[in-house]
Amino acid sequence: GQQVMQIPQYQHVQEGEDFTTYCNSSTTLSNIQWYKQRPGGHPVFLIQLVKSGEVKKQKRLTFQFGEAKKNSSLHITATQTTDVGTYFCAGGNYQLIWGAGTKLIIKP
Amino acid sequence: DSGVTQTPKHLITATGQRVTLRCSPRSGDLSVYWYQQSLDQGLQFLIQYYNGEERAKGNILERFSAQQFPDLHSELNLSSLELGDSALYFCASSVGLRTDTQYFGPGTRLTVL
Repeated sequence: GQQVMQIPQYQHVQEGEDFTTYCNSSTTLSNIQWYKQRPGGHPVFLIQLVKSGEVKKQKRLTFQFGEAKKNSSLHITATQTTDVGTYFCAGGNYQLIWGAGTKLIIKP
Repeated sequence: DSGVTQTPKHLITATGQRVTLRCSPRSGDLSVYWYQQSLDQGLQFLIQYYNGEERAKGNILERFSAQQFPDLHSELNLSSLELGDSALYFCASSVGLRTDTQYFGPGTRLTVL
């Protein structure tokens, strides 16, 4: 069946460093969505990408959808403590298939 | 506040027991999804209902069942509970059937002792 692979599982960064998480699918996706789950919270929708090669920005967050619509990335510039949490991608054609998530941890 | 409500917030029970988790979707949403999230794990999709009918099934155990009622609220029934069923159970809702944005409730934390 369709799978969405997300890496890395964890990323430890110093505050102020950048963070990137990647999602890859074996098949073309009609859209890809990104969600954030804060510690102790529930997943919250961040953004949806639909078009091939699409790039969207939300302040320090940059989201990209690959030209083949099979991969996507989320890049955070100059991480802050408020960015801590797990970032999930989810994509599909008939139903959303979820990546395993990348946990962003800020080193003390 | 996503507009999705879940009750109860916490549930502690013993092995072998049966529990029911309840979810009310956002106003206007017809799809309800159930997910299981074990400690520090990803989201495991269990089942989706759309307008009262089952539409998609994930890795849902036979001991688990769900339904969506005419008023669109949903219940997830977990029976013959095992220690490994301890997890956060999230309900999410969306407007349509397929890859619409999902809005999550706050979750029910189930502890099986």
